Amino acid sequence: QSALTQPASVSGSPGQSISISCTGSSSDVGTYNLVSWYQQHPGKVPKLIIYEGTKRPSGVSYRFSGSKSGNTASLTISGLQAEDEADYYCCSYVGTSARVFGGGTKLTVL
Amino acid sequence: QAQLVQSGAEVRKPGASVKISCKASGYTFIISAMHWVRQAPGHGLEWMGWINAGNGNKKYSETLGGRVTITRDTSAGIVYMEMISLTSEDTAVYYCARDMAGGVKAFDIWGQGTMVTVSS
Repeated sequence: QSALTQPASVSGSPGQSISISCTGSSSDVGTYNLVSWYQQHPGKVPKLIIYEGTKRPSGVSYRFSGSKSGNTASLTISGLQAEDEADYYCCSYVGTSARVFGGGTKLTVL
Repeated sequence: QAQLVQSGAEVRKPGASVKISCKASGYTFIISAMHWVRQAPGHGLEWMGWINAGNGNKKYSETLGGRVTITRDTSAGIVYMEMISLTSEDTAVYYCARDMAGGVKAFDIWGQGTMVTVSS
Protein backbone atom coordinates (compact mmCIF):
# COMPACT_ATOMS: atom_id res chain seq x y z
CA GLN A 1 0.00 0.00 0.00
CA SER A 2 1.62 3.27 -1.13
CA ALA A 3 1.54 6.36 1.05
CA LEU A 4 -1.00 9.02 0.20
CA THR A 5 0.40 12.11 -1.53
CA GLN A 6 0.38 15.46 0.24
CA PRO A 7 2.21 18.69 -0.60
CA ALA A 8 5.36 19.01 1.49
CA SER A 9 4.49 22.52 2.57
CA VAL A 10 1.83 25.21 2.38
CA SER A 11 1.74 28.71 3.80
CA GLY A 12 -0.72 31.49 4.43
CA SER A 13 -1.14 34.74 6.27
CA PRO A 14 -3.27 35.18 9.39
CA GLY A 15 -6.95 35.36 8.51
CA GLN A 16 -6.55 33.66 5.15
CA SER A 17 -7.80 30.20 4.17
CA ILE A 18 -5.58 27.37 2.99
CA SER A 19 -6.24 23.88 1.71
CA ILE A 20 -4.12 20.77 1.93
CA SER A 21 -4.73 17.99 -0.57
CA CYS A 22 -4.34 14.27 0.03
CA THR A 23 -4.31 12.14 -3.10
CA GLY A 24 -4.74 8.41 -3.03
CA SER A 25 -6.27 5.86 -5.36
CA SER A 26 -9.40 3.86 -5.98
CA SER A 27 -8.08 1.39 -3.39
CA ASP A 28 -8.25 3.85 -0.54
CA VAL A 29 -9.50 7.46 -0.66
CA GLY A 30 -11.61 6.85 -3.74
CA THR A 31 -13.47 3.87 -2.33
CA TYR A 32 -13.83 4.66 1.35
CA ASN A 33 -15.21 7.89 2.78
CA LEU A 34 -13.00 7.24 5.79
CA VAL A 35 -10.23 9.81 5.62
CA SER A 36 -9.04 11.32 8.87
CA TRP A 37 -6.76 14.29 9.43
CA TYR A 38 -4.28 14.88 12.24
CA GLN A 39 -2.50 17.99 13.46
CA GLN A 40 0.93 17.61 15.03
CA HIS A 41 2.88 20.39 16.67
CA PRO A 42 6.65 19.90 17.05
CA GLY A 43 7.46 17.35 19.73
CA LYS A 44 3.80 16.68 20.41
CA VAL A 45 1.40 13.79 19.92
CA PRO A 46 -0.82 13.91 16.81
CA LYS A 47 -4.34 15.22 17.37
CA LEU A 48 -7.43 14.12 15.45
CA ILE A 49 -9.13 17.09 13.75
CA ILE A 50 -11.32 15.49 11.04
CA TYR A 51 -12.76 11.98 10.72
CA GLU A 52 -14.90 10.22 8.12
CA GLY A 53 -13.88 12.86 5.64
CA THR A 54 -15.92 15.77 6.96
CA LYS A 55 -16.71 15.34 10.66
CA ARG A 56 -15.07 17.27 13.48
CA PRO A 57 -14.50 15.74 16.92
CA SER A 58 -15.89 17.61 19.87
CA GLY A 59 -13.69 20.55 20.76
CA VAL A 60 -12.10 21.01 17.35
CA SER A 61 -12.54 24.47 15.87
CA TYR A 62 -15.14 25.02 13.13
CA ARG A 63 -12.30 26.61 11.13
CA PHE A 64 -11.20 23.10 10.19
CA SER A 65 -13.22 21.36 7.48
CA GLY A 66 -12.78 18.36 5.22
CA SER A 67 -14.00 17.35 1.79
CA LYS A 68 -13.40 14.76 -0.92
CA SER A 69 -13.54 14.58 -4.68
CA GLY A 70 -12.69 11.35 -6.42
CA ASN A 71 -9.38 10.02 -5.14
CA THR A 72 -8.44 13.28 -3.42
CA ALA A 73 -9.39 14.43 0.06
CA SER A 74 -8.78 17.96 1.26
CA LEU A 75 -8.41 19.77 4.55
CA THR A 76 -9.32 23.46 4.63
CA ILE A 77 -8.37 25.80 7.44
CA SER A 78 -10.18 29.12 7.40
CA GLY A 79 -9.30 32.24 9.36
CA LEU A 80 -5.70 31.08 9.72
CA GLN A 81 -4.18 31.67 13.15
CA ALA A 82 -0.61 31.50 14.40
CA GLU A 83 -1.36 28.40 16.48
CA ASP A 84 -2.39 26.52 13.32
CA GLU A 85 1.28 26.32 12.33
CA ALA A 86 1.98 22.59 12.54
CA ASP A 87 2.35 19.44 10.48
CA TYR A 88 -0.83 17.92 9.06
CA TYR A 89 -1.33 14.29 8.09
CA CYS A 90 -4.16 12.58 6.24
CA CYS A 91 -4.93 8.92 6.81
CA SER A 92 -7.21 6.60 4.87
CA TYR A 93 -8.86 3.31 5.67
CA VAL A 94 -7.80 0.66 3.14
CA GLY A 95 -9.88 -2.32 4.23
CA THR A 96 -9.63 -4.94 7.03
CA SER A 97 -8.96 -2.07 9.46
CA ALA A 98 -5.62 -1.30 7.80
CA ARG A 99 -4.64 2.33 7.23
CA VAL A 100 -2.25 4.38 5.19
CA PHE A 101 -0.93 7.85 6.01
CA GLY A 102 0.05 10.71 3.77
CA GLY A 103 3.59 12.01 3.88
CA GLY A 104 2.57 15.08 5.86
CA THR A 105 2.33 18.79 5.10
CA LYS A 106 4.10 21.54 7.00
CA LEU A 107 1.88 24.58 7.40
CA THR A 108 3.63 27.89 7.90
CA VAL A 109 1.66 30.93 9.06
CA LEU A 110 3.44 33.95 7.66
CA GLN B 1 -11.19 10.02 30.84
CA ALA B 2 -9.79 7.58 28.30
CA GLN B 3 -6.03 7.51 28.08
CA LEU B 4 -3.17 5.38 26.84
CA VAL B 5 0.10 5.21 28.76
CA GLN B 6 3.13 3.68 27.09
CA SER B 7 6.30 2.18 28.49
CA GLY B 8 9.53 4.14 28.58
CA ALA B 9 12.30 4.77 26.09
CA GLU B 10 14.41 1.85 24.87
CA VAL B 11 17.90 1.53 23.40
CA ARG B 12 18.82 -1.56 21.42
CA LYS B 13 21.69 -2.78 19.30
CA PRO B 14 21.13 -3.76 15.66
CA GLY B 15 19.70 -7.25 15.37
CA ALA B 16 18.02 -7.12 18.77
CA SER B 17 14.31 -7.00 19.53
CA VAL B 18 12.12 -4.65 21.54
CA LYS B 19 8.72 -4.96 23.18
CA ILE B 20 6.67 -1.87 24.05
CA SER B 21 3.50 -1.75 26.13
CA CYS B 22 0.45 0.48 25.97
CA LYS B 23 -1.91 0.46 28.95
CA ALA B 24 -5.46 1.63 28.39
CA SER B 25 -7.69 3.14 31.03
CA GLY B 26 -10.92 5.10 31.30
CA TYR B 27 -12.90 3.06 28.77
CA THR B 28 -13.95 -0.51 28.04
CA PHE B 29 -10.77 -2.04 26.63
CA ILE B 30 -12.28 -4.79 24.51
CA ILE B 31 -14.63 -2.61 22.46
CA SER B 32 -11.94 -0.76 20.51
CA ALA B 33 -9.23 -1.59 18.03
CA MET B 34 -5.69 -0.53 18.90
CA HIS B 35 -3.13 0.50 16.35
CA TRP B 36 0.59 1.15 16.34
CA VAL B 37 2.06 4.07 14.44
CA ARG B 38 5.70 5.10 14.27
CA GLN B 39 7.53 8.27 13.34
CA ALA B 40 11.23 8.34 12.51
CA PRO B 41 13.08 11.55 13.43
CA GLY B 42 12.14 14.29 10.99
CA HIS B 43 9.78 12.01 9.09
CA GLY B 44 6.06 11.39 8.83
CA LEU B 45 3.68 8.94 10.43
CA GLU B 46 3.75 5.29 9.39
CA TRP B 47 0.95 2.86 10.18
CA MET B 48 2.34 -0.43 11.50
CA GLY B 49 -0.60 -2.64 12.39
CA TRP B 50 -3.65 -3.15 14.57
CA ILE B 51 -5.32 -5.58 16.91
CA ASN B 52 -8.97 -6.03 17.79
CA ALA B 53 -8.77 -5.84 21.57
CA GLY B 54 -11.89 -7.98 21.89
CA ASN B 55 -11.25 -10.99 19.67
CA GLY B 56 -7.52 -10.62 19.03
CA ASN B 57 -7.75 -10.36 15.23
CA LYS B 58 -4.79 -8.48 13.85
CA LYS B 59 -3.22 -7.18 10.68
CA TYR B 60 0.22 -5.77 9.94
CA SER B 61 1.70 -3.45 7.37
CA GLU B 62 3.41 -5.46 4.67
CA THR B 63 6.31 -2.97 4.66
CA LEU B 64 7.53 -4.29 8.01
CA GLY B 65 8.44 -7.65 6.53
CA GLY B 66 6.82 -9.78 9.21
CA ARG B 67 9.03 -8.36 11.98
CA VAL B 68 6.19 -7.02 14.11
CA THR B 69 3.86 -8.86 16.48
CA ILE B 70 0.99 -7.15 18.31
CA THR B 71 -0.63 -8.86 21.28
CA ARG B 72 -2.96 -7.92 24.08
CA ASP B 73 -3.70 -8.81 27.69
CA THR B 74 -7.41 -8.24 28.13
CA SER B 75 -7.33 -8.72 31.92
CA ALA B 76 -4.75 -5.97 32.31
CA GLY B 77 -5.99 -3.71 29.48
CA ILE B 78 -2.56 -3.69 27.84
CA VAL B 79 -1.52 -3.95 24.21
CA TYR B 80 2.05 -4.91 23.28
CA MET B 81 4.10 -4.34 20.15
CA GLU B 82 7.21 -6.45 19.62
CA MET B 83 9.65 -5.84 16.79
CA ILE B 84 12.57 -8.15 15.94
CA SER B 85 15.72 -7.86 13.84
CA LEU B 86 16.03 -4.14 14.53
CA THR B 87 18.12 -1.86 12.31
CA SER B 88 19.01 1.80 12.58
CA GLU B 89 16.04 2.53 10.31
CA ASP B 90 13.74 1.41 13.12
CA THR B 91 14.87 4.32 15.29
CA ALA B 92 11.63 6.20 15.85
CA VAL B 93 8.93 7.27 18.25
CA TYR B 94 6.33 4.51 18.49
CA TYR B 95 2.74 5.42 19.31
CA CYS B 96 -0.27 3.33 20.20
CA ALA B 97 -3.56 4.85 19.10
CA ARG B 98 -7.17 3.84 19.63
CA ASP B 99 -9.89 3.72 17.02
CA MET B 100 -12.89 5.82 18.02
CA ALA B 101 -15.81 4.13 19.66
CA GLY B 102 -18.59 2.78 17.50
CA GLY B 103 -16.28 1.37 14.87
CA VAL B 104 -15.22 4.78 13.57
CA LYS B 105 -11.97 4.43 11.64
CA ALA B 106 -9.98 7.26 13.18
CA PHE B 107 -7.49 7.54 16.02
CA ASP B 108 -9.01 9.68 18.76
CA ILE B 109 -6.71 8.75 21.66
CA TRP B 110 -2.93 8.42 21.36
CA GLY B 111 -0.30 7.25 23.79
CA GLN B 112 2.49 9.64 24.71
CA GLY B 113 4.95 7.84 22.47
CA THR B 114 7.95 5.61 23.18
CA MET B 115 11.34 6.48 21.72
CA VAL B 116 13.24 3.47 20.43
CA THR B 117 16.86 4.05 19.50
CA VAL B 118 18.77 1.40 17.57
CA SER B 119 22.48 2.01 17.66
CA SER B 120 25.66 0.01 17.93
